[in-house]
Amino acid sequence: TQLLEQSPQFLSIQEGENLTVYCNSSSVFSSLQWYRQEPGEGPVLLVTVVTGGEVKKLKRLTFQFGDARKDSSLHITAAQPGDTGLYLCAGPEYGNKLVFGAGTILRVKS
Amino acid sequence: GAVVSQHPSRVICKSGTSVKIECRSLDFQATTMFWYRQFPKKSLMLMATSNEGSKATYEQGVEKDKFLINHASLTLSTLTVTSAHPEDSSFYICSARDYQRTSGRQETQYFGPGTRLLVL
Repeated sequence: TQLLEQSPQFLSIQEGENLTVYCNSSSVFSSLQWYRQEPGEGPVLLVTVVTGGEVKKLKRLTFQFGDARKDSSLHITAAQPGDTGLYLCAGPEYGNKLVFGAGTILRVKS
Repeated sequence: GAVVSQHPSRVICKSGTSVKIECRSLDFQATTMFWYRQFPKKSLMLMATSNEGSKATYEQGVEKDKFLINHASLTLSTLTVTSAHPEDSSFYICSARDYQRTSGRQETQYFGPGTRLLVL
């Protein structure tokens, strides 16, 4: 079973600060996905990274896929209270399944 | 993006009763759907893979007789929690694999909004 280690598990910051969430594995993934989930709702797909070294930007969010396709990071610039939520990285495993990281709970205080 | 719905969004039931949760892909066909369970402030735990027209594949430790899965059509999968007990209380989430948007290296799953189950 491929494992994804996500860190930090919890992050509480002030509005306007920057932050980075990491997703690491000893295994190579064909792609990695990042989701954001709010309490009582299902995860919403933010981005899929496919190519080693790829960088994708989504407004204030920057996603990077490691050159070896074993790790990924999510960087948020000037965080806002609306960014609060649970952030999950996930990668495909055998049988079309997704393996998830443990998640990062982000709280942005105004 | 693709839309997946779940019904009901929340349900409260008495211990010993059975509860059925529906998962529908609204604008695409899903040959494969997945059922997850999530505890508060934790990540998703895969329970089973639901394949249209065939038996579901359950993850290790998940009782198939307890959590019955039926995937009768390309847009509907159901999860029935049989003889529910308080320890079955949880947030259940389904996802559907959009085959058309999935290429060899990109696995695209879309998640439903979840169902909150409370067993008294």
